Amino acid sequence: GEDVEQSLFLSVREGDSSVINCTYTDSSSTYLYWYKQEPGAGLQLLTYIFSNMDMKQDQRLTVLLNKKDKHLSLRIADTQTGDSAIYFCAESPYGGSQGNLIFGKGTKLSVKP
Amino acid sequence: ETGVTQTPRHLVMGMTNKKSLKCEQHLGHNAMYWYKQSAKKPLELMFVYSLEERVENNSVPSRFSPECPNSSHLFLHLHTLQPEDSALYLCASSQVGQFSGNTIYFGEGSWLTVV
Repeated sequence: GEDVEQSLFLSVREGDSSVINCTYTDSSSTYLYWYKQEPGAGLQLLTYIFSNMDMKQDQRLTVLLNKKDKHLSLRIADTQTGDSAIYFCAESPYGGSQGNLIFGKGTKLSVKP
Repeated sequence: ETGVTQTPRHLVMGMTNKKSLKCEQHLGHNAMYWYKQSAKKPLELMFVYSLEERVENNSVPSRFSPECPNSSHLFLHLHTLQPEDSALYLCASSQVGQFSGNTIYFGEGSWLTVV
């Protein structure tokens, strides 16, 4: 079955880079996603990558995709205290054609000043 | 303004009450979802409606009853809930199709406390 795994916690110092890792199981996933959830709020779509890409960069965010190993990572450069949140990785099984995403349990990023 | 709006943002209800959560999406999407998020089980999918028809139930107890009157609106009717149903209920929408990728957009959530 589909499963998305990610570590539960990550702690970094302000100004450092953060790398959040994720593994997924469905090789038919056409898109892979990163969502951010700040305390008391809903999930905000942060970025996504199409499965035929290896890397996507958007300002301080870099997404790396290793399709062979089914490994996805999110790098946040120059991490700020405002980046403290829970980050969810998600895959779109069945090529995204049947609706729904499979989410990981989320990685709580703590940024220390 | 978020594309997916949920009301109320906070709700406290007794176990014998009947209440409803409301969701509206302004994105022109054809699928809507209810997720439950709690400390024990982050992001449980409860219901999926695609083209206004329920396509997935996920074994949710009957005390939760969804309603999707049109592609823009989704309700979750609540009755005789239990304290363990206290959680954040997230509504979401997406455009499902062969080439759309199914990017899901979430509302801010409704915090439900059952007393």
